[in-house]
Amino acid sequence: DAKTTQPNSMESNEEEPVHLPCNHSTISGTDYIHWYRQLPSQGPEYVIHGLTSNVNNRMASLAIAEDRKSSTLILHRATLRDAAVYYCISPQGGKLIFGQGTELSVKP
Amino acid sequence: NAGVTQTPKFRVLKTGQSMTLLCAQDMNHEYMYWYRQDPGMGLRLIHYSVGEGTTAKGEVPDGYNVSRLKKQNFLLGLESAAPSQTSVYFCASSYYIGLAGSNEQFFGPGTRLTVL
Repeated sequence: DAKTTQPNSMESNEEEPVHLPCNHSTISGTDYIHWYRQLPSQGPEYVIHGLTSNVNNRMASLAIAEDRKSSTLILHRATLRDAAVYYCISPQGGKLIFGQGTELSVKP
Repeated sequence: NAGVTQTPKFRVLKTGQSMTLLCAQDMNHEYMYWYRQDPGMGLRLIHYSVGEGTTAKGEVPDGYNVSRLKKQNFLLGLESAAPSQTSVYFCASSYYIGLAGSNEQFFGPGTRLTVL
């Protein structure tokens, strides 16, 4: 199994970039990296995913290290609405295994 | 497009009672999942289904049963509720894309269940 490790919590200021790290040293060559986030009192929502190269979408960017042992989710300008728990997951057989994630707080 | 909906939103049960949680999706997804989330924890997979008429066990299946009689619905049953099953239950669905691990899951809003 590709286990992921994330910091328990991070803080950011509003309108500043945020870099959320994730280590996945046991990942195999065909394992994707997915990021989900969970806003308070809501179900998780998909943020982004990637395999080898960096990925961008309207929500965030995902930077994957060349050796694929780590990745970073980048929120380019944090807003108060981005305060959530962010989960870095490597799906196994289509199944998501959630850890405790990183709780991101955003200060005005 | 309602996405993934869950019924009910809240429920309080007494120990030993039974109930069924309903999940419905209108995206024609093949895969459906049931998770539970305890306070301060990440989600844990209870059961999942890879298509109509199929079910499989996840990480924490004990005490739960599921059925997928129709493609759009996935039911989670508690035959004899216990206080340890107090949790928030989330349903999710996804397409089958073919490459394992590349499919995005869409989650419902959750059902908050308390067992006294």
